[in-house]
Amino acid sequence: QVRLQESGPGLLKPSETLSLTCFVSGGSVSGFYWGWIRQPPGKGLEWVGYVFNSGSINYNPSLKSRVTISVDASKNQFSLNVGSVTAADTAVYFCARATSGASCYDHWGPGTLVTVSS
Amino acid sequence: QSALTQPPSASGSPGQSVTISCTGTSSDVGRYNYVSWYQQHPGNAPKLMIYEVNERPSGVPDRFSGSKSGNTASLTVSGLQAEDEAVYYCSSYGGGNNFYVFFGGGTKLTVL
Repeated sequence: QVRLQESGPGLLKPSETLSLTCFVSGGSVSGFYWGWIRQPPGKGLEWVGYVFNSGSINYNPSLKSRVTISVDASKNQFSLNVGSVTAADTAVYFCARATSGASCYDHWGPGTLVTVSS
Repeated sequence: QSALTQPPSASGSPGQSVTISCTGTSSDVGRYNYVSWYQQHPGNAPKLMIYEVNERPSGVPDRFSGSKSGNTASLTVSGLQAEDEAVYYCSSYGGGNNFYVFFGGGTKLTVL
């Protein structure tokens, strides 16, 4: 059974860079799409982007200028960086494995809350 | 790009059936058969319930079914049970040449 676990700082100041890592166990990151989805407190889901074998990457156009997603097959993990964060980036960040051409997500991490506050 | 439109709430009594709608456009729901539905209980990660409009992942009860007509997709939960009470989100691929995944705003399903 594939398991995912997010890791990273829970509190950031405005203008800092958000960096999260998703550790994958029970399966290889190679050959699959891996993505990030976020959920502001009390609100709905927002797709952030996905990566596939480092060769195929797509980002939410509204975040594209600030987001980088990468995968490290040697460590069986993938990462998310969001630059120049503001309070609007406060959310629970989920990492997940995509299926069906990366159109949906069938395995999710428990999520990690990232708060941006001065 | 705009989010998909879902009713904020739905309800039904145990044993009844409830249908939740998800309205998109001809560029997403209407164009592609990549509509998904997720169930989210408070404090938990979303769980994939339906993918590719009407396919159920292994382990999802057949009480959950999906369909699509034009720009609107639907999730039907039959034989409602207490544990079905949750927020349900629809999702669709869209964006044409620029890959994009849209989510609906979520529907809170209450089992009366």
